[in-house]
Amino acid sequence: RKEVEQDPGPFNVPEGATVAFNCTYSNSASQSFFWYRQDCRKEPKLLMSVYSSGNEDGRFTAQLNRASQYISLLIRDSKLSDSATYLCVVMSNAGKSTFGDGTTLTVKP
Amino acid sequence: NAGVMQNPRHLVRRRGQEARLRCSPMKGHSHVYWYRQLPEEGLKFMVYLQKENIIDESGMPKERFSAEFPKEGPSILRIQQVVRGDSAAYFCASSPPSGGGDTQYFGPGTRLTVL
Repeated sequence: RKEVEQDPGPFNVPEGATVAFNCTYSNSASQSFFWYRQDCRKEPKLLMSVYSSGNEDGRFTAQLNRASQYISLLIRDSKLSDSATYLCVVMSNAGKSTFGDGTTLTVKP
Repeated sequence: NAGVMQNPRHLVRRRGQEARLRCSPMKGHSHVYWYRQLPEEGLKFMVYLQKENIIDESGMPKERFSAEFPKEGPSILRIQQVVRGDSAAYFCASSPPSGGGDTQYFGPGTRLTVL
């Protein structure tokens, strides 16, 4: 079993749709959690950190459930520019990061 | 404030040659991480370094690969006697001195092609 698992997709949605990505992790001692996006094999860019209390940044909402070892990302009102691969990242308190293999999103007009 | 810099951006080597990849962290960052992304695969952690120290190298292949982050100068990922399977994108990331758990910022990557 992988340390960080994501549904690979692809998710193909129309503009304006709401889409949710899920991620599970196996190490209960994991400390920090992030969502990154990666475009066309370029460098990953931080989308947002994920906190137990949940956090929102515009159209993006991230949630963490430590008990279930589960992280989610919700994108509302999808834009064409949201098309990318979304990477779930879990970090130990020793600083080692484990990336999921990513979920590919394509937003169509 | 310059971001994480990596060079070269593209590197071509023949089998058996050495590849040296350089990473300069963001200003003020003292933690460096190296990742490898094989074609059609996700990012895989290789090594985590602080200045003059290797903190975690659990993702490094046991042979031919080494990394350093000297007191002065960039971090270097060195691959000796490259093979075709080493062809990949190698990304470096850096984070501030506050330690593990901090956000990592990525460089543009070095794309290594082994002929």
